[in-house]
Amino acid sequence: NAGVTQTPKFQVLKTGQSMTLQCAQDMNHEYMSWYRQDPGMGLRLIHYSVGAGITDQGEVPNGYNVSRSTTEDFPLRLLSAAPSQTSVYFCASSPSARWGDEQFFGPGTRLTVL
Amino acid sequence: GENVEQHPSTLSVQEGDSAVIKCTYSDSASNYFPWYKQELGKRPQLIIDIRSNVGEKKDQRIAVTLNKTAKHFSLHITETQPEDSAVYFCAASGGGSQGNLIFGKGTKLSVKP
Repeated sequence: NAGVTQTPKFQVLKTGQSMTLQCAQDMNHEYMSWYRQDPGMGLRLIHYSVGAGITDQGEVPNGYNVSRSTTEDFPLRLLSAAPSQTSVYFCASSPSARWGDEQFFGPGTRLTVL
Repeated sequence: GENVEQHPSTLSVQEGDSAVIKCTYSDSASNYFPWYKQELGKRPQLIIDIRSNVGEKKDQRIAVTLNKTAKHFSLHITETQPEDSAVYFCAASGGGSQGNLIFGKGTKLSVKP
């Protein structure tokens, strides 16, 4: 199993550009989520999905869209990039949306918005 | 919604000493409390977790305690080693779905040889 994979590893955007961060897992996990990590701020939940076709907002959803058309994939879309979205983005998955399941993190995408 | 506070933000200890990191949470409905370790440039990795029906859990040099009445939980690392140097995050379940995790802001632990 590859676990949770993310592409790209690094990305530089200009203000106003759009892009999609890819996340995939091969563990047949129901639950997937996106976090952003900023210095001194910990990990903050952007969006999450409890199963294919179901998504919901987390703590900091503004400026981001998600979809979950398959169990494996959970892409994160930046609609119009802003410098405030410069961050490291982590995707995570767990077997279910029930409490107590370990969340497995992907390797992260480092995004810089100029 | 859930809010998790973590202290201290930085912690420096001598090799062989113990380290303690404390977290408090606000939502009494939270019932799962994991701890993650993140080395520089790497992804967070689970090191230990505790569920609300348990007061303490140990795994070799690492232990976690939970006080549900006071809404706080702590990570204890004994006999620290240089390879324990990393950023540690506590988290609590909640925030819309019990599968969600709300994280503290992290503690940078430095273990000096």
